[in-house]
Amino acid sequence: DTGVSQDPRHKITKRGQNVTFRCDPISEHNRLYWYRQTLGQGPEFLTYFQNEAQLEKSRLLSDRFSAERPKGSFSTLEIQRTEQGDSAMYLCASSSTGGRDEKLFFGSGTQLSVL
Amino acid sequence: GDSVTQMEGPVTLSEEAFLTINCTYTATGYPSLFWYVQYPGEGLQLLLKATKADDKGSNKGFEATYRKETTSFHLEKGSVQVSDSAVYFCALISGGYQKVTFGTGTKLQVIP
Repeated sequence: DTGVSQDPRHKITKRGQNVTFRCDPISEHNRLYWYRQTLGQGPEFLTYFQNEAQLEKSRLLSDRFSAERPKGSFSTLEIQRTEQGDSAMYLCASSSTGGRDEKLFFGSGTQLSVL
Repeated sequence: GDSVTQMEGPVTLSEEAFLTINCTYTATGYPSLFWYVQYPGEGLQLLLKATKADDKGSNKGFEATYRKETTSFHLEKGSVQVSDSAVYFCALISGGYQKVTFGTGTKLQVIP
């Protein structure tokens, strides 16, 4: 169990550029979440996968955001045409439990700064 | 929709003081409740949970009781240590049990 890995740890980009983040969950965890966290706030749900299927996506998520989980293993989160308001910590979490006993294992996050 | 409300921080306590961090919730259906903790420089990790009314979750000296009548899940510890300094997040899962909803977090600082 090597934990949830996220890459990169930090990303600085210019407004209008596209960025892509990667998350490697704990092996054999079938559930994978993406959250966004801004300073002084709690994690805000973005989207959720069970295996390769994207089962829920936040209504707050604009069309510029897309996530994939090919083959049900690692996941990528892409933000197109970044805006300054996209600056945040992007967190990935995985789990194997689900339901009422859901236990999330979080990565350390990718800090995005849009200039 | 689901929401979690926590007391605002930061909370500053002396070592060995009693800790309470308030948490109330609004949820569809019958939620499970959680406390997550984020130590400086680390990712969030589950501290404790309760899955039904009147259950008490406990871990590392922390406790929280699921109170359905007051829709609350307050975190308590009898004697805090400097090593407890962290940000604490109350959270819930409900509805189709598809996603975890978090509160805004409460920063705790314990001074010697």
